[in-house]
Amino acid sequence: GEDVEQSLFLSVREGDSSVINCTYTDSSSTYLYWYKQEPGAGLQLLTYIFSNMDMKQDQRLTVLLNKKDKHLSLRIADTQTGDSAIYFCAETDPQGQNFVFGPGTRLSVLP
Amino acid sequence: DTGVSQDPRHKITKRGQNVTFRCDPISEHNRLYWYRQTLGQGPEFLTYFQNEAQLEKSRLLSDRFSAERPKGSFSTLEIQRTEQGDSAMYLCASSTTGTDSYEQYFGPGTRLTVT
Repeated sequence: GEDVEQSLFLSVREGDSSVINCTYTDSSSTYLYWYKQEPGAGLQLLTYIFSNMDMKQDQRLTVLLNKKDKHLSLRIADTQTGDSAIYFCAETDPQGQNFVFGPGTRLSVLP
Repeated sequence: DTGVSQDPRHKITKRGQNVTFRCDPISEHNRLYWYRQTLGQGPEFLTYFQNEAQLEKSRLLSDRFSAERPKGSFSTLEIQRTEQGDSAMYLCASSTTGTDSYEQYFGPGTRLTVT
């Protein structure tokens, strides 16, 4: 079945850039998403990218997609303490019916 | 509309009891999903509705679990004869087929503790 993998932990200093990586196995993945989850809360959609794109930028967020290697990354520029959270990568099929989430990367921002 | 809402936010129950959770999606969204999330894991898909039709169910959804969306608006998830292994966060999400990107919007979740 489909699988999405992420490294589990990342620590950065405030003001540095953070790069969170994700790999997936489903070659039919059409959309890939990044979600943020703060303690005790649901998932907040941050951004998404269509599989025929290789980059998308939205303010401090940059998403890079290498479809050949099935590798997705999320770069957060000028990381702030408020960015501390768990970040989930997810992918879906062309019909948007079956969503598969990674295990999440816990980002800790050190002052 | 303020987004996806779920009720209750927390539920503590004794093993063997039945529980029911409710999800109200974003009003114009025709798709509704239920997920389960345990500590340190990403959401695991349970089931999905398009309008009132339940189109897909995960093998994780045992016979003790049932979900409904009778009028294509709110949905309920019932767990019968709860077990300690059912303790988890139950998340609801909604989306619309009116966009190409299918992005899901999540509710705050219902945290279930089975004692």
